[in-house]
Amino acid sequence: AQSVTQPDIHITVSEGASLELRCNYSYGATPYLFWYVQSPGQGLQLLLKYFSGDTLVQGIKGFEAEFKRSQSSFNLRKPSVHWSDAAEYFCAVAGGSYIPTFGRGTSLIVHP
Amino acid sequence: EAGVAQSPRYKIIEKRQSVAFWCNPISGHATLYWYQQILGQGPKLLIQFQNNGVVDDSQLPKDRFSAERLKGVDSTLKIQPAKLEDSAVYLCASSLDLAGRNSPLHFGNGTRLTVT
Repeated sequence: AQSVTQPDIHITVSEGASLELRCNYSYGATPYLFWYVQSPGQGLQLLLKYFSGDTLVQGIKGFEAEFKRSQSSFNLRKPSVHWSDAAEYFCAVAGGSYIPTFGRGTSLIVHP
Repeated sequence: EAGVAQSPRYKIIEKRQSVAFWCNPISGHATLYWYQQILGQGPKLLIQFQNNGVVDDSQLPKDRFSAERLKGVDSTLKIQPAKLEDSAVYLCASSLDLAGRNSPLHFGNGTRLTVT
């Protein structure tokens, strides 16, 4: 069975600072990996996904993530955070069905 | 392109009552999913439909939860009777076909259920 661990429940950063959200996955074969963002009262929006190929994946809103097989990680990064990035971020892993299994999420708080 | 529509946005009921949620997927999307998102947790898949057939309902508590997608378009998720632990956001998602590289999931805004 596949699973995802997001070790940080909350992350606080100042506007303009860089951001890294951690994600570790468990899956026996090559995983498909996703990051989603959820603003209050909204559904989940796909930020980026990794299926194969280049391990550095670019997404929307200036986000990127790097797949590291040796560390079973897929951390999300952004060089400069904007106040509008405050939201809940979910990492997800999928196997052959491509249906994501989600982590518990990390709440991003942005200070002005 | 209109997104996934869900109603109601909020629902408050007492335990042992019944409740139903409605979802209208993106036009032309064959696959529909219901997820349960309990506060502080990630969404958990309850059931997946392909057109009007069930693909996977292994995580659906069938003693109290039921779902249908009779004409392969709209779907209804029902809870009867509700328990306190059913308090959650119920998310509907759809994809063009079975989830895949070219068929990502699109999520609705969810229905927040509070059971008192």
